Amino acid sequence: AQSVAQPEDQVNVAEGNPLTVKCTYSVSGNPYLFWYVQYPNRGLQFLLKYITGDNLVKGSYGFEAEFNKSQTSFHLKKPSALGSDSALYFCAVMGRRALTFGSGTRLQVQ
Amino acid sequence: DAGVIQSPRHEVTEMGQEVTLRCKPISGHDYLFWYRQTMMRGLELLIYFNNNVPIDDSGMPEDRFSAKMPNASFSTLKIQPSEPRDSAVYFCASRFSGRAYNEQFFGPGTRLTVL
Repeated sequence: AQSVAQPEDQVNVAEGNPLTVKCTYSVSGNPYLFWYVQYPNRGLQFLLKYITGDNLVKGSYGFEAEFNKSQTSFHLKKPSALGSDSALYFCAVMGRRALTFGSGTRLQVQ
Repeated sequence: DAGVIQSPRHEVTEMGQEVTLRCKPISGHDYLFWYRQTMMRGLELLIYFNNNVPIDDSGMPEDRFSAKMPNASFSTLKIQPSEPRDSAVYFCASRFSGRAYNEQFFGPGTRLTVL
């Protein structure tokens, strides 16, 4: 069965600094990987996904993610954090027909 | 498109009462998912439908929970009787199956409080 792990419950970063939110995955076959963001009292919003090809995927709000097959990782990154990036971030992997989500990482931009 | 629509947005009820949550997926989407989010358990997939047919309900906590999808534009999640431990945010999501990697679109959620 497929799974994703987000090892950090919370990440703190200063505004203007680069940020990374970590995710590792376990799946048989080629993975389809996703990042979602959840703002307070809102539903999850799609940020980006990896299907195949270029290991660096660009998404919404200036976010990007780096796929690393040898390390089975799919870390979310942004060159310069904004206060408005403070939110809950979820990594997910597509199973047979549904997404399996990680436990979420709270990003706090100070 | 208005996106995935859920109602009500907030529901407060007393233990033992029946609760019905509603969802309207995005038009043209043939998959519909119900999730529950709590601090303790995170985001859990409860059940999902394909072309109005339940495919996997292994995440439904117990017999008190039931879900239906009578047509392509409407689904309900019912809890009867409700218990305080059912308090959570319930999300509905939908997606189009055209590609295996199509993303899911989430509704705003229903915050359920069972007293």
